[in-house]
Amino acid sequence: QQPVQSPQAVILREGEDAVINCSSSKALYSVHWYRQKHGEAPVFLMILLKGGEQKGHEKISASFNEKKQQSSLYLTASQLSYSGTYFCGTSNQAGTALIFGKGTTLSVSS
Amino acid sequence: EPEVTQTPSHQVTQMGQEVILRCVPISNHLYFYWYRQILGQKVEFLVSFYNNEISEKSEIFDDQFSVERPDGSNFTLKIRSTKLEDSAMYFCASSETTGLNTEAFFGQGTRLTVV
Repeated sequence: QQPVQSPQAVILREGEDAVINCSSSKALYSVHWYRQKHGEAPVFLMILLKGGEQKGHEKISASFNEKKQQSSLYLTASQLSYSGTYFCGTSNQAGTALIFGKGTTLSVSS
Repeated sequence: EPEVTQTPSHQVTQMGQEVILRCVPISNHLYFYWYRQILGQKVEFLVSFYNNEISEKSEIFDDQFSVERPDGSNFTLKIRSTKLEDSAMYFCASSETTGLNTEAFFGQGTRLTVV
């Protein structure tokens, strides 16, 4: 079952902040965040694991609430390059399938 | 920097024809995946592959689809009899270990158009 992302779209001016949420009705083992620019492949941003371990880009921050079965991606002081569609993916317990949400489109303007 | 490469970048085929999409994963990666993305929609998981076997597949991955690692470098997705609704961008991805705690690297995709 796919995770649910909110909001569907965000419009920001440079320098503003945004939070993108990802929630699941199933137990979360890991949450993966990717960004996709139009016409390009998804690019890895971050993994959050049960127990608090994180892997990813230093400039990106995110949280993982196991109890609430949700993750949030924090984009601070947004830049034009942040524009794109952000997908969260949740992994099954074995790590053999990553199921993505419908995405959140972020548009940053100057 | 190592990358996943996919060929062709764009394939146009007639309905009912077979297509093979090719991928060369990153050389030391052991886990391989196919995803598809219908225009403007989310990235959908199709199948994962490890040790010459399918590890997991989605409902989309029916008998019309098959995957193969024909040699030490290529990973292919075959669609036996294409339908109009198979038109999508198909992404190959690979990871060093299972996807639980390892990032998957995506190729640039093959845009499949079924006419």
